[in-house]
Amino acid sequence: YVLTQAPSVSVAPGQTASLTCEINNFGRRSVHWYQLKPGQAPLLVIYFGSDRPSGIPGRFSGSNSGSTATLTISRVEAGDEADYYCQVWDSVNERVIFGGGTKLTVL
Amino acid sequence: QVSLVESGGAVVQPGRSLRLSCAASNFTFKSYTMQWVRQAPGKGLDWVAIISYNENVKYYEDSVKGRFTISRDSSKSTLYLQMSNLRAEDSAVYYCARSGAAYYMDVWGKGTTVIVS
Repeated sequence: YVLTQAPSVSVAPGQTASLTCEINNFGRRSVHWYQLKPGQAPLLVIYFGSDRPSGIPGRFSGSNSGSTATLTISRVEAGDEADYYCQVWDSVNERVIFGGGTKLTVL
Repeated sequence: QVSLVESGGAVVQPGRSLRLSCAASNFTFKSYTMQWVRQAPGKGLDWVAIISYNENVKYYEDSVKGRFTISRDSSKSTLYLQMSNLRAEDSAVYYCARSGAAYYMDVWGKGTTVIVS
């Protein structure tokens, strides 16, 4: 598996950010998304592709289409500025794989 | 509040060993699979190792196989990462994480820093 994420995405406050994760050999894989801010612990924002942990705002949503998973952040706020990583479990090679991460900049 | 706190990070010379610890609190540690993930300076997240709740299953990232050992002590609610023959490229912030079904990580520590130099 290789997970490909765009290095950076920029969006104005109040707009919608779409962060994609292209997965080769997608199959039936659960994709998980994390937010990472400098000096803080990573935060799970979406699991099983579209489920939201308690405490994560409804502005965060996830979807899958073909071999692409998408994290959508609606009504973007300054506090959403962070690096976002997608992740899957590679059951063939028995390992966790992370995408390279997308830096979300709020203009 | 559910929490994980890593410790043991240090500056070490290449070829030396180091053991990281991760203390869990406010959840049933013995029931959960646990993982280690690292982030080198300026780089992305990089998975290191995973251990099942009963220690029967352990998997490692290729570059650490044979050098790192993941273990746990459920009586102490503590996860460990024994690192040996350290290399400069092992320098990173090391995070421990609680793992849910399908290997997502729903609780993370704030990390401990290892510098190999």
